[in-house]
Amino acid sequence: GQQVMQIPQYQHVQEGEDFTTYCNSSTTLSNIQWYKQRPGGHPVFLIQLVKSGEVKKQKRLTFQFGEAKKNSSLHITATQTTDVGTYFCAGIDPNTGKLIFGQGTTLQVKP
Amino acid sequence: NAGVTQTPKFQVLKTGQSMTLQCAQDMNHNSMYWYRQDPGMGLRLIYYSASEGTTDKGEVPNGYNVSRLNKREFSLRLESAAPSQTSVYFCASRLTGGNQPQHFGDGTRLSIL
Repeated sequence: GQQVMQIPQYQHVQEGEDFTTYCNSSTTLSNIQWYKQRPGGHPVFLIQLVKSGEVKKQKRLTFQFGEAKKNSSLHITATQTTDVGTYFCAGIDPNTGKLIFGQGTTLQVKP
Repeated sequence: NAGVTQTPKFQVLKTGQSMTLQCAQDMNHNSMYWYRQDPGMGLRLIYYSASEGTTDKGEVPNGYNVSRLNKREFSLRLESAAPSQTSVYFCASRLTGGNQPQHFGDGTRLSIL
C-alpha cells in the first residue's frame, strides 16, 4: 500500500538554529497536510498544500510541496522552545481518499 | 464548543478484559476515525467511518471492533485485550469532501498488563 516516509525521526537543536523535516510518498498525493503534536497532547492541524510546487509560510515556518506532489518539507527558522513537539506530515491517497500519516519528526530545542 | 471528546483519558486493563473507548464530536462532522499511536510508528488507522451507518477497516483493525452509534458518536471496542494493544488511542473527525483537516481528541492512554 501507499507509504509516507518522514525523516529524520528525531532532531535536537540549539535554540536559534534552523530545523527541517522531510516527507516522501511512494505515490503521488492529492495534497499534503502538516500537524503538530506537543508533548502529551494531540495532533493539531497546521496547514495544507494542494498545488504542485506550492510554498506557504506561517511566521517562522515554511512549508513546501514538491513539483511531482510526492514530497514535502517543513522548515523552521530560528527555532524557539515553543517549537518543541512532533511534526507529522499526512498525505491523501487519491485512490482511496484516506489520510496516510508519516511517522513524525520529534523536535527538541535546547535553550 | 468542545470539539472531539474522548473517554476515558487513562485506563489500565488486565489481559483478556474487554472495554469500550468512547468518542463524541459536536462539529457536525460526517467522518470519524480511530488511530493508535506507538513510539516511532506515527499514527496508524484502526477503523474509520465515512458517514453515519458505515464503518471500514484501516491499517491495523485486528483485535478491535467499532460502532458508529449516530452522527456524533464513534466507539472502539477491545473484546479481549492483549499487551500488544497498549498504546495511546486518538479519535478524530472531519467534514467529508474536499481536503478538510482532521480534528483530534485528547487521546486515551491504555495500558494492558
